Formats: sequence, structure tokens, C-alpha cells
Amino acid sequence: QSVLTQPPSASGTPGQRVAISCSGSSSNIGSNAVNWYQHLPGTAPKLLIYGNNQRPSGVPDRFSGSKSGTSASLAISGLQSEDEADYYCAAWDDSLNGYVFGTGTKVTVL
Amino acid sequence: QVQLQESGPGLVKPSETLSLTCTVSGDSITSYYWNWIRQPPGKGLEWIGYIYYTGSTNCNPSLKSRVTISVDTSKNQFSLKLSSVTAADTAVYYCARGVADSFGSWFDPWGQGTLVAVSS
Repeated sequence: QSVLTQPPSASGTPGQRVAISCSGSSSNIGSNAVNWYQHLPGTAPKLLIYGNNQRPSGVPDRFSGSKSGTSASLAISGLQSEDEADYYCAAWDDSLNGYVFGTGTKVTVL
Repeated sequence: QVQLQESGPGLVKPSETLSLTCTVSGDSITSYYWNWIRQPPGKGLEWIGYIYYTGSTNCNPSLKSRVTISVDTSKNQFSLKLSSVTAADTAVYYCARGVADSFGSWFDPWGQGTLVAVSS
């Protein structure tokens, strides 16, 4: 029942740049800030980006976020093997009066 | 350093009530808001709801009729009850601290998660 749409997969070789899109609507991304989470199976999800493009302390500057209209994007530059994980976008939805996640994107480092 | 730890039964029978507790250490539960999120096997993340230390709650409309979230400030814990469970409620359940400011709202940190299976 995710209302934010992401591509199911993305891949790249070490050192490459990978971008993940997140498509929403006027009630979520269009009205509220977007956050991104990194999730390695069996571990706690980790906040990667908040407020569309803010990096928490400790997150490498290889990760960057952007938003335009009802879409957002996460870019990973200088891809590393440890970046292989699932990535989720998320935002508050004013119509649902709740928090919504994206469908998730699995990043593979070739 | 803030840490969250989920606890509760790993197996619940269909039609019964799932009960989980999240213990917060390194921070007072009287700050921020506190969330439950789940991930069914092979699927994505789903927000369940949150509670403030005052007891004020907000839940996912799709689960609202079955969800109860409560807080115990004396123990620095908050809890989730999900009634009338079915196999579709089988998931890893996470608790997470919710932060809100001028940049919006987000979850950080998260607990490690606990797998709850619904089966007879």
C-alpha cells in the first residue's frame, strides 16, 4: 500500500554514481520534506537524508538528496561495496494524516 | 547514545492480540515522539503509528481500528497492541524515535526489530 513509487532495483560498479527516484503526489512529497533510509537486511534501518537534502552527522557526503515538485531523488556517488542495501524514501502525507514510505529500491554493487 | 530495543512474543495465534514493548535508553521518553513501523517478509516498510509522552497518538488509517499504542514514562517504555491478527500481520516490527523540526519529521534511531509470526 506504498503511495511513494521507487524503481525496484538499481546497480553500478564501484566508483560509479547511482540515482534512485521517488515519485509521490501533492499531499506528500509536494507538501512535505522527504527523508531517505538505508536498510541492510537483519539490521536497523538507518537515516541517510532528512529534510530533502540534509545529511545526519556521520553520513558520508557521497550521499545526497534532492526534491522537485512531487518527486525526489537520492544520489550515491563513488559507489562502494558497503552501499549494497535497500533504500526507502519517506514523507508525511497530509491526506492520509500519516507517514508513508516508498516501495524500496535494492542497490547492487556489481 | 540513544538506543531502542523491542521485546515481546515471537509467535501469536490468529485472532489474538500482538503485544510488543520498546525500551528506550540514553534519552528521556518525555521528549520527541515514538513510533512503530513494520516490514512483512519480502515487502516494504509500513508506518503503524506514534505516541507522544502525553499519551496523544496517531495511527495508520488502515490499522487504526486494531492498534493501541501506550506509553509508560516511569519505565521509559512505549508499547504496541495489535488485535485480531492474521497471517498478514506477520512482520519484523521496529520501534523508532520520531524527530520533528523546521526540516520536517523523520525517524532516528531505530531499534533492531523483532520478528512476529502469526500462526496456529
